[in-house]
Parts: sequence; structure tokens; C-alpha cells
Amino acid sequence: EAGVAQSPRYKIIEKRQSVAFWCNPISGHATLYWYQQILGQGPKLLIQFQNNGVVDDSQLPKDRFSAERLKGVDSTLKIQPAKLEDSAVYLCASSSSASNYGYTFGSGTRLTVV
Amino acid sequence: EDQVTQSPEALRLQEGESSSLNCSYTVSGLRGLFWYRQDPGKGPEFLFTLYSAGEEKEKERLKATLTKKESFLHITAPKPEDSATYLCAVGHNSGYALNFGKGTSLLVTP
Repeated sequence: EAGVAQSPRYKIIEKRQSVAFWCNPISGHATLYWYQQILGQGPKLLIQFQNNGVVDDSQLPKDRFSAERLKGVDSTLKIQPAKLEDSAVYLCASSSSASNYGYTFGSGTRLTVV
Repeated sequence: EDQVTQSPEALRLQEGESSSLNCSYTVSGLRGLFWYRQDPGKGPEFLFTLYSAGEEKEKERLKATLTKKESFLHITAPKPEDSATYLCAVGHNSGYALNFGKGTSLLVTP
């Protein structure tokens, strides 16, 4: 079974620039999550999709962050404009709604804003 | 509000020196208590889910236990390859999102 694919692995941008991250979940997984992990912290949920609908985006800074999951498969997370405090690893995860085993994470995209 | 607190923040062990990591939690409706392992530069890797107080699960040198207020991850006779950050998370019964603690960074030296 192929894992959760994310790209790019690394990105360095200047503040006020925009950036986009891509995620392809495990085939058949209806639920997709974006988490933000700041160095030394645990992952924090940004947004949760069920198929192509948003279930929870209460912690997404909507003035600068946006996410979409067209066709209920892969997903894109965008930041525009970026701030220094957005420097973090952005993790995508997916799960089957019937899963009792937590979910599977991708390797993440490490974003550095300078 | 759900809260997850892990201790210690960092732990250094000699190879073969057993110890335990702690995860204290408060949640209004527990769907499950999850343990993940995270290696540098990688995403968290699922280890265990515990659902009710008194439950225990084992995998190789790891054993996870659960009470109504905390979970322990016991590491028996650790090896250097067990070095990683161990994350604890709680799932609320209203959905599938997880609330993570900050993790315990474990270093096992030969």
C-alpha cells in the first residue's frame, strides 16, 4: 500500500511571498488532514476534510491560509502572504473513516520563511 | 478543552535501561488514546490505540497502558534504534481529529 505523498519536501521563501503544498492520500481514504508542527511542538490540526467537504477548519488562519480538496482525492494547502511564524513542518495525513488505528502521515513539507 | 501533557520532555537512557514515558490527558469524551513515534525528518508513525482504562498493548519492547487520566509507554531494555520522539494524542468522540502533546524526545545510548 502506497503511503501519503507530499511535495515539496523543503521550501524556503521570503516573508509576504506565497507558497503551496500538495498532498496525495492513501487510495480510498475519505478523510484527509493538514497539521502544522512547529519545532519542538506536537502537530496541530489546521483543517480536516471528509471527501471534498470541510469538517473542521476552526484552527486555520483563514486570513492567510486556504486549502482545497477537489474531487475528494488530493489536496493543496496555500499560505498567502507568509509570515515568519509560519515556519514549520506541514504534515498531511489520511484515514479511512472505519479505521480504529489512528491515521497515516506523510513525511511533511518543511517550510522556512526568512 | 482537551489537554495533553507529556513528560519528561527529554529522556536519555543507556541501552538496556528500562523506563516509562507519561501522557496525562483531559478530554470530555475519549474516542481513543494514540501513541506515535516520530523520527527526525519524518512524519509520525502509528504505534498503538487504547480505548478504555485498564487496556494494555505491546509491540516488541514497547508496552502502552491506559488509566482514566493518563497513559504510560513503557520501554523495556531499549536499544539505540528506539531513539525517537514519542507523541501522545487523544481523539474526541465527536470526530477523527487528534489533539497531540509536545512529545518526549528519547535518546538511547550504546
